[in-house]
Amino acid sequence: DTGVSQDPRHKITKRGQNVTFRCDPISEHNRLYWYRQTLGQGPEFLTYFQNEAQLEKSRLLSDRFSAERPKGSFSTLEIQRTEQGDSAMYLCAIQGSSETQYFGPGTRLLVL
Amino acid sequence: QKEVEQNSGPLSVPEGAIASLNCTYSDRGSQSFFWYRQYSGKSPELIMFIYSNGDKEDGRFTAQLNKASQYVSLLIRDSQPSDSATYLCAVGWGNTGKLIFGQGTTLQVKP
Repeated sequence: DTGVSQDPRHKITKRGQNVTFRCDPISEHNRLYWYRQTLGQGPEFLTYFQNEAQLEKSRLLSDRFSAERPKGSFSTLEIQRTEQGDSAMYLCAIQGSSETQYFGPGTRLLVL
Repeated sequence: QKEVEQNSGPLSVPEGAIASLNCTYSDRGSQSFFWYRQYSGKSPELIMFIYSNGDKEDGRFTAQLNKASQYVSLLIRDSQPSDSATYLCAVGWGNTGKLIFGQGTTLQVKP
């Protein structure tokens, strides 16, 4: 158990629909990261939060994507007008000591 | 050139052998290096991290770092079938703490 839960674990949606994922660290962690992983590839950085502030966004994060961390605890990632290319595993990670990162179980998204 | 490169494999070793996994990175300023293990359908699990040149050992795992050559490796001694997984090399990038991952190397340990 890495101390991070993600919900839902699986999501199937139709192209054009909106989806929202949630990441819940069990305890307080200043830094929270979102990554996306497609089949056969390593995770790719999407964005990160220092407390409630979103400090960096990847070029991968088009304007259809938005992330929030309203109280510096849980975080949400929303994808609007989903496309088939959005199908991937979405991973949330918290930063522990020594810059280490621990991943939640991920949300697997399939866009039909 | 990709920022972090790994041979995708598969790397196949017999049970009990040493598995050697390699990774190169492009940013000479990188200071932190990580190895994750990922079983099929699961999320990555941190198994080793290293910041200084040389070797770092933890049980059957040894991470090796050579900053001059921009090279990181992971050795798994006495490989077990349960070690069969994809091993991801990750490099800490800039001062944000974000990780840049290689594409992973698939390891198969045959009984």
